[in-house]
Amino acid sequence: QKEVEQDPGPLSVPEGAIVSLNCTYSNSAFQYFMWYRQYSRKGPELLMYTYSSGNKEDGRFTAQVDKSSKYISLFIRDSQPSDSATYLCAMGGKLVFGQGTRLTINP
Amino acid sequence: EAGVTQFPSHSVIEKGQTVTLRCDPISGHDNLYWYRRVMGKEIKFLLHFVKESKQDESGMPNNRFLAERTGGTYSTLKVQPAELEDSGVYFCASDAASGPYNEQFFGPGTRLTVL
Repeated sequence: QKEVEQDPGPLSVPEGAIVSLNCTYSNSAFQYFMWYRQYSRKGPELLMYTYSSGNKEDGRFTAQVDKSSKYISLFIRDSQPSDSATYLCAMGGKLVFGQGTRLTINP
Repeated sequence: EAGVTQFPSHSVIEKGQTVTLRCDPISGHDNLYWYRRVMGKEIKFLLHFVKESKQDESGMPNNRFLAERTGGTYSTLKVQPAELEDSGVYFCASDAASGPYNEQFFGPGTRLTVL
């Protein structure tokens, strides 16, 4: 079993939709939870990080961590075509990544 | 300020050949990491340098991989001899090691194809 599970998609939604991306994990020792965005032929770029459980909001993006369920989420409100990318969850210090979800926002 | 740079961006080699990948971290970043993504799989940790010292090399696949970090600046990852299963995208990342959480900044990756 993988340490971090993430549905690879692909996920395609219309512009303006609310997008929900999720990961589950097995290692209860993880304290830091990250969401990275990766455009084609580029390296991952940090979107947000959360420490322990709770919510964190940054503009149109909200990250949630539920340590009791070992479940993390990223919500994108008012999605834009420029949000089209692969979204990767990652955890820990030496990062453990999910497989990434390829997201397309259709105009 | 320049980000993490990697060279080459793409390398195509024959099985059995040697390839050396280079990473230049952000200036002043003591922590340097190598990761790899093989086709259809998640990005996986290979190793971690603190300055010139290997802190953790638990993700290195086998002894065909050799990483160095000269003088705590740039790093190289050599694959010798390359095998087909070494194909993938190799990412380098660095961070400043300045607090309990340090954002890792990633380079664009080197795409390695072994034929």
